[in-house]
Amino acid sequence: EPEVTQTPSHQVTQMGQEVILRCVPISNHLYFYWYRQILGQKVEFLVSFYNNEISEKSEIFDDQFSVERPDGSNFTLKIRSTKLEDSAMYFCASNGQGSYEQYFGPGTRLTVT
Amino acid sequence: RKEVEQDPGPFNVPEGATVAFNCTYSNSASQSFFWYRQDCRKEPKLLMSVYSSGNEDGRFTAQLNRASQYISLLIRDSKLSDSATYLCVGGQAGTALIFGKGTTLSVSS
Repeated sequence: EPEVTQTPSHQVTQMGQEVILRCVPISNHLYFYWYRQILGQKVEFLVSFYNNEISEKSEIFDDQFSVERPDGSNFTLKIRSTKLEDSAMYFCASNGQGSYEQYFGPGTRLTVT
Repeated sequence: RKEVEQDPGPFNVPEGATVAFNCTYSNSASQSFFWYRQDCRKEPKLLMSVYSSGNEDGRFTAQLNRASQYISLLIRDSKLSDSATYLCVGGQAGTALIFGKGTTLSVSS
C-alpha cells in the first residue's frame, strides 16, 4: 500500500539554525500539506501546496517558513531560523485529485535546544 | 473562526463495551468530515470518512448531522487495540483539515 514517507524521524537543532524536513508524498497525489503538533496539543495546519505553489497557509506559517517541491517526488519544509517554540512533530500529508482524504506521513520530531 | 470541539474524555471502558464519541463544528463551509485515529507519538491515521447518510465499517459507525453541525462515532465490541486518541476532523478538498483536540479511549481487559 502506498504511503507518505518523511525524513528524518528525529531532528535536534540549536536555536537560530536552519532545518529542512523532507517528505515523499504518495506518488499520484497532487495536493501536499504540512501540519505540526506541539506535544499535548492538537494537530495544526501550516501550509498546502498544489500545482507548484502555495494554495493556503495559516498564521503559523510566517516568513521563517518556506516549502518547496525540488523534484518530482520530494516536498520539503524549511525553517530558516528555528526558535524553541518550533519544537513539535511535523507531519506531511497528501491527497489525490478529487479526494478529500488526506494521508499522513510518520512525522519528524523536531527538537530545538 | 473554524473550530471542531470534541468530548473531553478520557473514556475508560472494558473490552466488549460500546462507546460513542461526539463532535461539533462551527464552520458550516466544511464539506467533509473524518475520524482519524492517533496512537501515542504517531501520525493521525484515517479511520473513516463521515457522510450525511451515515456509514459503517465493521464495528465502527459514523454519522453526520449538518443541521445540528454534529458528528458522531460509535465503536461496538471494543477491543484492547482500539485504545487510542480519536480525532474529529473537518475540511474541504485540497484545503486545510481542521482538527479537534481528540478524545482518548482506553479499553481494558
